[in-house]
Amino acid sequence: DAKTTQPPSMDCAEGRAANLPCNHSTISGNEYVYWYRQIHSQGPQYIIHGLKNNETNEMASLIITEDRKSSTLILPHATLRDTAVYYCIVRAILMDSSYKLIFGSGTRLLVRP
Amino acid sequence: DAGITQSPRYKITETGRQVTLMCHQTWSHSYMFWYRQDLGHGLRLIYYSAAADITDKGEVPDGYVVSRSKTENFPLTLESATRSQTSVYFCASSETWGAYEQYFGPGTRLTVT
Repeated sequence: DAKTTQPPSMDCAEGRAANLPCNHSTISGNEYVYWYRQIHSQGPQYIIHGLKNNETNEMASLIITEDRKSSTLILPHATLRDTAVYYCIVRAILMDSSYKLIFGSGTRLLVRP
Repeated sequence: DAGITQSPRYKITETGRQVTLMCHQTWSHSYMFWYRQDLGHGLRLIYYSAAADITDKGEVPDGYVVSRSKTENFPLTLESATRSQTSVYFCASSETWGAYEQYFGPGTRLTVT
């Protein structure tokens, strides 16, 4: 599975967009990009995933560069409840392998009042 | 209420004791996972299961045993607990092998003295 690189910490003001970058320069053509987050003392929570097209759901948007070597998770209007550690994960979905996530160190996002 | 639950939420045990952490999900998801989370290591996969009676090792399986006699339960046993197994343990489940989303339980904080 491709390795990901994320900044260890970031901060943004409440109500502003939070843009969390992730580098995955060794990503393969069949590997998806997933984002999870973990609010303090809770289990991780799925946010969004994508292959090569940009994706949007009720929680966030995912922008993947054309060469797929990096991506950005966007929280359009960050709230204090978005303070969490955000994990970018790259994983292939293969017919002959079981689905498992390998978490790295993530980015600790602090949303300031 | 439906979901994924873990018990106990907190456990203190002594070195050498056997400890079993319970995980129960009400969705009838095929896949279940056990992770441990330690400072500086993020989340690491211990074991996973594709279905009842099918289990496989993750990144850090040594010292742990799992079983899955029923789809909804996936207990994790530390046969002889060591201080290095002090950690927060998360159980997760996903619907199919191709599911992008894993649902995590609230975690069990285990301290081995």
